[in-house]
Amino acid sequence: QSVLTQPPSASGTPGQRVTISCSGSSSSIGANHVNWYQQLPGTAPKLLIYGDDQRPSGVPDRFSGSKSGSSASLAISGLQSEDEADYYCAAWDDSLNGAVFGGGTQLTVL
Amino acid sequence: EVQLLESGGDLVQPGGSLRLSCVASGFTFAAYAMAWVRQPPGKGLEWVSAIDAPNDLTYYADSVKGRFTISRDNSENTLSLQMSSLKAEDTAVYYCAKTTTLSGRSSRSDCWGQGTLVTVSS
Repeated sequence: QSVLTQPPSASGTPGQRVTISCSGSSSSIGANHVNWYQQLPGTAPKLLIYGDDQRPSGVPDRFSGSKSGSSASLAISGLQSEDEADYYCAAWDDSLNGAVFGGGTQLTVL
Repeated sequence: EVQLLESGGDLVQPGGSLRLSCVASGFTFAAYAMAWVRQPPGKGLEWVSAIDAPNDLTYYADSVKGRFTISRDNSENTLSLQMSSLKAEDTAVYYCAKTTTLSGRSSRSDCWGQGTLVTVSS
């Protein structure tokens, strides 16, 4: 069971906007920045969003992140077929003195 | 180009030991904390361990504390993970990951290796 809670699956049609939630605690998301990773099938994870809402260079602005209290969200607008992947949230947890990941959300583009 | 290349994954019996290595290139290795993250087959990501850049301070997940040891050799640009008392639940692809800070107290990794598979089975 993961320390951060994500829905196991999400879906949308091309062009739609989807959001993926990530729920944590006061010692994890409530105290530290949230980062999001995209993992395409058979590949290593890729940093998608850092510092709650910042995009690394090269990441399309269709991807956005937000945080409120002990929860965070990843939004993908203008959904494309190539967005079909697993998405993970992550944060440092001060109580555990370690990083924690969400269980991952498998995004399907219908 | 930043690159991380892991090696050392293998099939090992329960209770056995294994050492993973990760060779870094394309950046100043000594200036960044490094981490190991694993992924059991068909499952999600699990943070394993991290090591600071300047002082080699280390951090471990409870699931591996006392069994795994992370270390780094800045002269060889190499990160290592010594694993002992291995269990079936340690079976996973192990990724080496570069953080973006000096401190290992971070969940932000901007570069990942391709992973190396560790299988613990009799």
